[in-house]
Order: sequence, then structure tokens, then C-alpha cells
Amino acid sequence: SYVLTQPPSVSVAPGKTARITCGGNNIGTKSVHWYQQKPGQAPVVVIHYDTDRPSGIPERFSGSNSGNTAALIISRVEAGDESDYYCQVWDSNSGQWLFGGGTKLTVL
Amino acid sequence: QLQLQESGPGLVKPSETLSLTCAVSGGSIGTNNYYWGWVRQPPGKGLEWIGSISYSGSTYYNPSLKSRVTISVDTSKNLLSLKVSAVTASDTAVYYCARLSPVTPLDYWGRGILVAVSS
Repeated sequence: SYVLTQPPSVSVAPGKTARITCGGNNIGTKSVHWYQQKPGQAPVVVIHYDTDRPSGIPERFSGSNSGNTAALIISRVEAGDESDYYCQVWDSNSGQWLFGGGTKLTVL
Repeated sequence: QLQLQESGPGLVKPSETLSLTCAVSGGSIGTNNYYWGWVRQPPGKGLEWIGSISYSGSTYYNPSLKSRVTISVDTSKNLLSLKVSAVTASDTAVYYCARLSPVTPLDYWGRGILVAVSS
């Protein structure tokens, strides 16, 4: 079955750029969505369709997807960005919705 | 604005059936092109897709749970339901309902409900 692989944790200093990766076989052929989840809250979409930002999401959030790796990029990181982030795809071969294991972003 | 609200018992005994409902307001659960699904999150762990149901009633389940899960909708009441049979402690989790489709992200979520499995 299709597997999405994320690093368990990423640390970044305030004002710097964070890059959270999501690996999968030919993931570049799939549409990737990214979610931010704060403690005790439901996930919120921060990037959909690989690179697009939903209304209300800061321009500091961007995405890329090519080959075997998709990425969520957060520029000028702020303390409030400290959260868990999940990538997600729909696998047409199996008819399953899949999540990556999640990455905890720590702002130093 | 679409809103989803999960409800059900917060404690279920081992070997029994976990039953949850999700009330959808601000829109019709029978809307074409959208599916409805359940996602769970064990304490301190990641998100796990449980299953989904399409606007036409087709169901899709996580293979790891398929033998124990049933998802259904009541379009007359705008309700989504989840049943998980023969639960064990490993089914302890926050359960979320969400709107989704093969094309779109999970764009609307309920607040989640914590269900503990314990005797």
C-alpha cells in the first residue's frame, strides 16, 4: 500500500525558513494537501492542491511537489507556527485517503 | 457556513461496539461531489483515516479496520454515523468527522470527540 513519510520533528529559529517534507513513490503525480494541527484542535488546511493557499492562510506558507517528495515551506517562521503538520493524499489505486505520520515543528 | 458536530459515548467497554454520529448543519449531507468521512487520532499520535462514504452511498474503508467498521448516512436527518465493533484499548482516540472527496482536501472538520475504551 502507498505510504507517506514525514520527519517526526523539525526545528527552526524565529524568522528563518522551515521545510517539512513528505515522501512517497511518485508523489509528484498526486495532489498533496497539508494540515496544521494545534493541541486540542482539529486540523486546518494550510496548503491544498500541492501549492495553493486557502483563504486566510498567510503568504508565508507555500508548497511544492515533484518526483518523490512534496514539501511545506514556512517562511519567516513565527512562534505561533509551532504545531504538528500532516501531509495527505488520495490514492486512486487503493481508494484510500492517506496521511503522513506528522511532523512536529518546534520554533527555537 | 458548514458545521460538523460529533456526539456519542465517551467510554466504551472492550469487545463492545463504538457508535458515533456527526450532525451536519449549514449544508446538505447529500451534496453531489462531496464525501463524508471519519478520522481518528490516538492520544499523542498521528491522524488515521477510518473510512468515507460518497454522496451516492459508496463506502471506502481503511483496510486495517475494514472488518470492524461501518459508515452510513441518514440524508433525511443530515447525519453521518460510525460503528466500530469489537473495540480494544487501541481504539481509544479522538474521533473526527470531516467533509472530503478524492479531489478536495478534508476542508471541514468537527471538533472531535474523545472515546476511551476501558472496563
